[in-house]
This record gives sequence, C-alpha cells and structure tokens, in this order.
Amino acid sequence: DSGVTQTPKHLITATGQRVTLRCSPRSGDLSVYWYQQSLDQGLQFLIQYYNGEERAKGNILERFSAQQFPDLHSELNLSSLELGDSALYFCASSRRAGGYEQYFGPGTRLTVT
Amino acid sequence: AQSVTQLGSHVSVSEGALVLLRCNYSSSVPPYLFWYVQYPNQGLQLLLKYTSAATLVKGINGFEAEFKKSETSFHLTKPSAHMSDAAEYFCAVSEGTGNQFYFGTGTSLTVIP
Repeated sequence: DSGVTQTPKHLITATGQRVTLRCSPRSGDLSVYWYQQSLDQGLQFLIQYYNGEERAKGNILERFSAQQFPDLHSELNLSSLELGDSALYFCASSRRAGGYEQYFGPGTRLTVT
Repeated sequence: AQSVTQLGSHVSVSEGALVLLRCNYSSSVPPYLFWYVQYPNQGLQLLLKYTSAATLVKGINGFEAEFKKSETSFHLTKPSAHMSDAAEYFCAVSEGTGNQFYFGTGTSLTVIP
C-alpha cells in the first residue's frame, strides 16, 4: 500500500458526460501528479500540482482540468468524454516537487461507452 | 530537454536466468533516476532510485541498477528471475527539484517456467 488513495476504483459513463476523479496523497506529501495510461499511448503525464499551485503541464487536453485543494487532495475533471478517453488514470504524490520519488495510487479505470 | 529510452518493449527470460532491462536517458544536468514496476491492474511501485550517491543501487525484490554516466544508462538487473517478476517495468528520469518526471515507454517482462 503506497498510502495514496484514489476514488472511485471503476467508472463507467457515456460519451459526452463529465466525471471527477479524486486523489488523496500520502500524509506529508505536497505534490500531486496525474497520469493517463492506455494501451496505445502508454503512460502519459497530464499535470502536476505542488501545494495547491499548478506546477507543470503535460499532455492534458483542454477538456480536462484539475485542482489541488487546501487539504492537498486533488481532483481531475474530465468533460465531454469521448471513447478514446477510456483509460487508467493514476494519481501519484511526492514529498516535494520534482526529483523526489513518486508514490502511485491504485488508479481509476474509466470506461466511456 | 530530458528523455528516457527503454530498449525492448518485450523481454522474455527463463526462470532462474539473468534479467537485464535497458534504460538510457538524456539530461543536461546530473539526473535523478528511478525504476518502477507495475503488476497487472495495479499502480506503479518504486523499485529503486539513484540520486547521485552510490552508482550501484539496490532495490526491492533482488533488483539492482547501475548508473553509468559515460553511457547515460541506468540498466536494471536481477541475477535470477522468478515467476513473480513478470510485470511491466518503467524507467523514469527527473532533473532534480522543481522538475517533473519523464517515464519511458515500459518493458514487459515475461518469465518462462
């Protein structure tokens, strides 16, 4: 158990809908990262937050957004969902920003039908 | 700019044989290097990390990796493969504090009984 929790574990929704994925980092970790993993694209970095502020952006679509709250939990919002958004979404946390090892949550499996 | 290259998307070894998974990186500054393992339907788990101390790094489950600056490599090895080692392995690089991680495309390890 990494100490990172993600909810829900599975999510099935229809195209065009909006969903919110939630992540709670390990106790004491200030940085949160979001990743998308699919068979054709591999592991893709989406976005990083550090202590409530956006720190780095990767291959995140405009339909996707995220935020980190004062209690350091984070949410990833996915809107206007398409079939191609079906993937595993991982959250990871680290003590600081960059350089420090990341600890991954178990992931949320999103299926868009 | 940083990048990580994992040579061989699929590697098969016999049980008891040497495991060698290759990782080459590019970085303009001394990097932080990591190996992660992902078992089916699970999140990524940290195997080991290099942060400019000893060049030979020992990790969990009998794995180790050697940092070779002249070859810009950080290959992962294990002397004797076990069936439970079958998983996806990811190499990652970070240039230090304040910077994001860059993951390789992963190597799927199959262990043949």
